[in-house]
Amino acid sequence: LAKTTQPISMDSYEGQEVNITCSHNNIATNDYITWYQQFPSQGPRFIIQGYKTKVTNEVASLFIPADRKSSTLSLPRVSLSDTAVYYCPSGGGADGLTFGKGTHLIIQP
Amino acid sequence: NAGVTQTPKFRVLKTGQSMTLLCAQDMNHEYMYWYRQDPGMGLRLIHYSVGEGTTAKGEVPDGYNVSRLKKQNFLLGLESAAPSQTSVYFCASTSSGTGGYEQYFGPGTRLTVT
Repeated sequence: LAKTTQPISMDSYEGQEVNITCSHNNIATNDYITWYQQFPSQGPRFIIQGYKTKVTNEVASLFIPADRKSSTLSLPRVSLSDTAVYYCPSGGGADGLTFGKGTHLIIQP
Repeated sequence: NAGVTQTPKFRVLKTGQSMTLLCAQDMNHEYMYWYRQDPGMGLRLIHYSVGEGTTAKGEVPDGYNVSRLKKQNFLLGLESAAPSQTSVYFCASTSSGTGGYEQYFGPGTRLTVT
């Protein structure tokens, strides 16, 4: 069963760019890489997905190298409201996602 | 458009009691999932469904049963609750057209079994 590995926690300051890296061991050839955000007492929220290279949307960028063994979620100019747990689950498709413990990101003023 | 809703939001059960958690989605999604999340942990998949009338086991299915009689609803049942089932339960849904990667989650049901 493919699993991902990411740092347990990170901290940064308002206005900084934050990069969270995830290791994707044994990622399936057809699987996309996704990132989710979760606030306390809420369900996870989808942030971004990609297959290769770089993807950008209104909230984040996702960098995926050619070998797809890692990915980096980049949050530009973070604010206090970005304090949350960030997940890079493995799997996907019809069979569902496998979530690890995620990265607890703390943003300080 | 309410998205994914879950009923109830909170519940306290005694060991051995039974209950059903209801998940409803109004996005016409084919795929639906039940996850549980224990303190400080990620989500673990209990059961899932790829369409009306079909269900499959996930990572931690023991002690739970599910049914999907209507496309928009996915029910999770606990026949005889145990303290180990104290957790927060999340339902999610997604469209087969997007490959199933962009899941929409409900607000969760906080269950305590005493």
